[in-house]
Amino acid sequence: GQNIDQPTEMTATEGAIVQINCTYQTSGFNGLFWYQQHAGEAPTFLSYNVLDGLEEKGRFSSFLSRSKGYSYLLLKELQMKDSASYLCAVRDPLAGNTGKLIFGQGTTLQVKP
Amino acid sequence: KAGVTQTPRYLIKTRGQQVTLSCSPISGHRSVSWYQQTPGQGLQFLFEYFSETQRNKGNFPGRFSGRQFSNSRSEMNVSTLELGDSALYLCASSYEFLQTSGSYEQYFGPGTRLTVT
Repeated sequence: GQNIDQPTEMTATEGAIVQINCTYQTSGFNGLFWYQQHAGEAPTFLSYNVLDGLEEKGRFSSFLSRSKGYSYLLLKELQMKDSASYLCAVRDPLAGNTGKLIFGQGTTLQVKP
Repeated sequence: KAGVTQTPRYLIKTRGQQVTLSCSPISGHRSVSWYQQTPGQGLQFLFEYFSETQRNKGNFPGRFSGRQFSNSRSEMNVSTLELGDSALYLCASSYEFLQTSGSYEQYFGPGTRLTVT
């Protein structure tokens, strides 16, 4: 089966850096996504990784190691508005290049002043 | 460009009833995926439609069904509602990338909050 693990909750201080980890066990690999979801809102796309390495996009960066089945989302210069749930998802490797994503349970990040 | 829209936003039904939810994707997007989100299970994939054909299906009972129209709008139906069907139902649309390395970014709608009593 396919499995994705993320910490359930994290707390960090405004202005700091936080790293949210995601490990996955899947039969194959076809891309990993990070989404942000504020309470009561729809998930919004943050990043996509299909090759090993770091992808930087402003204050957010995402890293992937396919050999370790591991990814992390790095948030710098934390702001109060970054308090949200962060969802790690992999494209189902058994479904080809389609829109079927398998999501982790999400990590709820609380940013404190 | 307008985002993904879902109707209705909130719905209350009783056990045994059926419900139909609607999703209008972003203009030009041909793929529509449906997800169920609950506090206990997180986001779970229901099905994906592409060009009016169901391309993928998740592990949900046959009470859950869907369809896609020629204008890419999609509906999902849940028959014989159970209390456990109470959830946020999210629809996501994406543009089909021909390259296998395409990001296939999915844009989510605001969801329909279904409460079954």
